[in-house]
Amino acid sequence: EAGVTQFPSHSVIEKGQTVTLRCDPISGHDNLYWYRRVMGKEIKFLLHFVKESKQDESGMPNNRFLAERTGGTYSTLKVQPAELEDSGVYFCASSQERDRGETQYFGPGTRLLVL
Amino acid sequence: DQQVKQNSPSLSVQEGRISILNCDYTNSMFDYFLWYKKYPAEGPTFLISISSIKDKNEDGRFTVFLNKSAKHLSLHIVPSQPGDSAVYFCATSYDKVIFGPGTSLSVIP
Repeated sequence: EAGVTQFPSHSVIEKGQTVTLRCDPISGHDNLYWYRRVMGKEIKFLLHFVKESKQDESGMPNNRFLAERTGGTYSTLKVQPAELEDSGVYFCASSQERDRGETQYFGPGTRLLVL
Repeated sequence: DQQVKQNSPSLSVQEGRISILNCDYTNSMFDYFLWYKKYPAEGPTFLISISSIKDKNEDGRFTVFLNKSAKHLSLHIVPSQPGDSAVYFCATSYDKVIFGPGTSLSVIP
């Protein structure tokens, strides 16, 4: 069974540009989560989808971030326009049931560097 | 303001010895805690969890201890192996998973 995949693995962009990150969850997983780790600090929750609906987007930093999950399969996270402080590793995770974290399977992350 | 703290950024342990990773939390309402392990260029993977109704949970070489009065938990790895070298994240699951900053463990052969 394929795990959670994320694309691209790395992205280097200039301040003010737009970047779109993609996450493909494990097939059949209705729950999809985005997280971010900035500068080796804690991994912070961004948002949670159940199928195509945003269940919780309380962690989204500001309106420069837009997440979508059309059709309830893969998800995209767009940053527009990117700022220097957006640099970090963006993780996606998926789970079949809403749980307390034990069955969230994480992707390898997208490393974003904004110059 | 960090709700889950791991005050040791790194730890080195000799192979075969015990590794103890510590974690503190701020909110006494937190009732479920997890440890994740992360290798370079990979995402975190779930390791072990504990509910606040227990003070210890064991899974093979890994044991998590919870001290609710001190708002402190620890992960013990016995015996430590070189393959345990990774970043370990303490986390709590409330309405969402809240991670600490991680402790990088190096197990020296």
